[in-house]
Amino acid sequence: DTGVSQNPRHKITKRGQNVTFRCDPISEHNRLYWYRQTLGQGPEFLTYFQNEAQLEKSRLLSDRFSAERPKGSFSTLEIQRTEQGDSAMYLCASSFETQGNQPQHFGDGTRLSIL
Amino acid sequence: AQTVTQSQPEMSVQEAETVTLSCTYDTSESDYYLFWYKQPPSRQMILVIRQEAYKQQNATENRFSVNFQKAAKSFSLKISDSQLGDAAMYFCAYRVDYGGSQGNLIFGKGTKLSVKP
Repeated sequence: DTGVSQNPRHKITKRGQNVTFRCDPISEHNRLYWYRQTLGQGPEFLTYFQNEAQLEKSRLLSDRFSAERPKGSFSTLEIQRTEQGDSAMYLCASSFETQGNQPQHFGDGTRLSIL
Repeated sequence: AQTVTQSQPEMSVQEAETVTLSCTYDTSESDYYLFWYKQPPSRQMILVIRQEAYKQQNATENRFSVNFQKAAKSFSLKISDSQLGDAAMYFCAYRVDYGGSQGNLIFGKGTKLSVKP
């Protein structure tokens, strides 16, 4: 169990640029979640995958955001035309779902700063 | 919509003492799951303890225990024999598990716990 891995750890970019983050879940985990955490707040749900299928998207996920999980393995989260308000920590979590109480394992996150 | 409220932005405890962190939530569901997560500075969020709503017995994990009051929609975390390594942000979370919302967590704003030597 190598844990959930996220890359990069930090990303600084200019407003209007596109950015892409990667998440590698724990290998046998079938569910993968993306959350966003702003300063002084708890994480907020963005989207989740069951294997390769994206099953739910939050209202926070505007049309500038897109997420993929090809082949049900790693996932990418892309933000197009970044805005100041996109500055946040983006967290990825994974779990192996059989029954509802399975905990989500979180990665270290990617901190995005928009200049 | 479900909400999670942590009314204590910051708490402080003396090493070896006991501290209780508060959490209340709002839901119309009868079956759900509650979690406490710990987030040390610049480190991963890790699970501390979890509680199934259908279980009346309060969950315990070593020095960590919860006081789950379902009718009052309260889920407090008690840390006994506090250690310096317990210093972190603590988040209470509610798990959505119905309809199309399956598994995502709703978090409170967190409580920052400081441990004094």
